Amino acid sequence: DVKVTQSSRYLVKRTGEKVFLECVQDMDHENMFWYRQDPGLGLRLIYFSYDVKMKEKGDIPEGYSVSREKKERFSLILESASTNQTSMYLCASSFQGGTGELFFGEGSRLTVL
Amino acid sequence: DQQVKQNSPSLSVQEGRISILNCDYTNSMFDYFLWYKKYPAEGPTFLISISSIKDKNEDGRFTVFLNKSAKHLSLHIVPSQPGDSAVYFCAASALGAGNMLTFGGGTRLMVKP
Repeated sequence: DVKVTQSSRYLVKRTGEKVFLECVQDMDHENMFWYRQDPGLGLRLIYFSYDVKMKEKGDIPEGYSVSREKKERFSLILESASTNQTSMYLCASSFQGGTGELFFGEGSRLTVL
Repeated sequence: DQQVKQNSPSLSVQEGRISILNCDYTNSMFDYFLWYKKYPAEGPTFLISISSIKDKNEDGRFTVFLNKSAKHLSLHIVPSQPGDSAVYFCAASALGAGNMLTFGGGTRLMVKP
């Protein structure tokens, strides 16, 4: 059974704290993605990666960075969390050259106070 | 500019009746379309897809219709069940252009018993 695992389901952080969200996939997928989901705004792409050590900005990269040191692991970093980064964060992966179908993790609900 | 739009943020349907969720797109390069279903506090899960070479794809109670000339697709759920209550996201990709998915804003479906 294919799996995308996000390290934390729920986090509460204070403004200015550094936040790490980790994601691991066991499907040997080349592509990995970080989205955030906010009511009425759908899924917005933050960053994605086509390969180890590669990263590309998505639609809303400001305030975020990512790290992909291993094929199966893709981390999202908030260097200095702000209240407008309170959101549901979703990690996903996919095969390169496929239909684009994404496999999602269960999500990480981040609250920044 | 939203390339994929779901103009109805919510839809309420009686159990046993048909649910019709709509999606419009503007990019004529899109040639593969997917629907995802998302329960609260969970990641989206793939529901059904359709290639642009077809105008209909059916899987059990779920049918997706594609009207390329109108750049419109719809998801039909018949009969609707209370367990279908979720947020539904429409997504599109251009197979020859990196396979990146572009998501709509989502429609919250509520099926009343």
